[in-house]
Amino acid sequence: EDQVTQSPEALRLQEGESSSLNCSYTVSGLRGLFWYRQDPGKGPEFLFTLYSAGEEKEKERLKATLTKKESFLHITAPKPEDSATYLCAVQAVYNQGGKLIFGQGTELSVKP
Amino acid sequence: DAGITQSPRYKITETGRQVTLMCHQTWSHSYMFWYRQDLGHGLRLIYYSAAADITDKGEVPDGYVVSRSKTENFPLTLESATRSQTSVYFCASRTGDNSPLHFGNGTRLTVT
Repeated sequence: EDQVTQSPEALRLQEGESSSLNCSYTVSGLRGLFWYRQDPGKGPEFLFTLYSAGEEKEKERLKATLTKKESFLHITAPKPEDSATYLCAVQAVYNQGGKLIFGQGTELSVKP
Repeated sequence: DAGITQSPRYKITETGRQVTLMCHQTWSHSYMFWYRQDLGHGLRLIYYSAAADITDKGEVPDGYVVSRSKTENFPLTLESATRSQTSVYFCASRTGDNSPLHFGNGTRLTVT
């Protein structure tokens, strides 16, 4: 069964304190791994897509990496405005129609 | 502005009533999706559509009905609402089979 597990469930950081969020996945052939950011009361907002092991993508203070079993979202020198829930999702090769399987998210809080 | 719009934003209904959640996108994306988001379960796929007049079940379709007569609209109907359907519902769309999902801001539904 395809599965996505994110850790930790919650993470509290001080402003400027770098850290990483983890997304472990089990899927029979990965077609794509997606990272989203979700603010309270809003829909998830797309951040990155990763397609193959070794691939990296960056956007401002965020950097996403991918291995054959997991992905990391590295946050460098975070600011309070980076506080949000970060979601990871995978799409399997065989998955026609583009269905994504989501993890339960990591709630990030950055204190000034 | 182009985007994906859900209505209503909030809805309270009684057990047994029929309720329809609306979703409209202005991008002419082929694929559209309905997810529900609950604490402890994350985002779960209810139904999806690859094109007008083509729909398919997701992970949790029971008690829901969808239709897609026009590319831009994808309404979700709860035929006889139950308390277990109290949730936040998100509509999403994507242009192709492996492109990012773009989400609306959700409908918070409470069934009393």
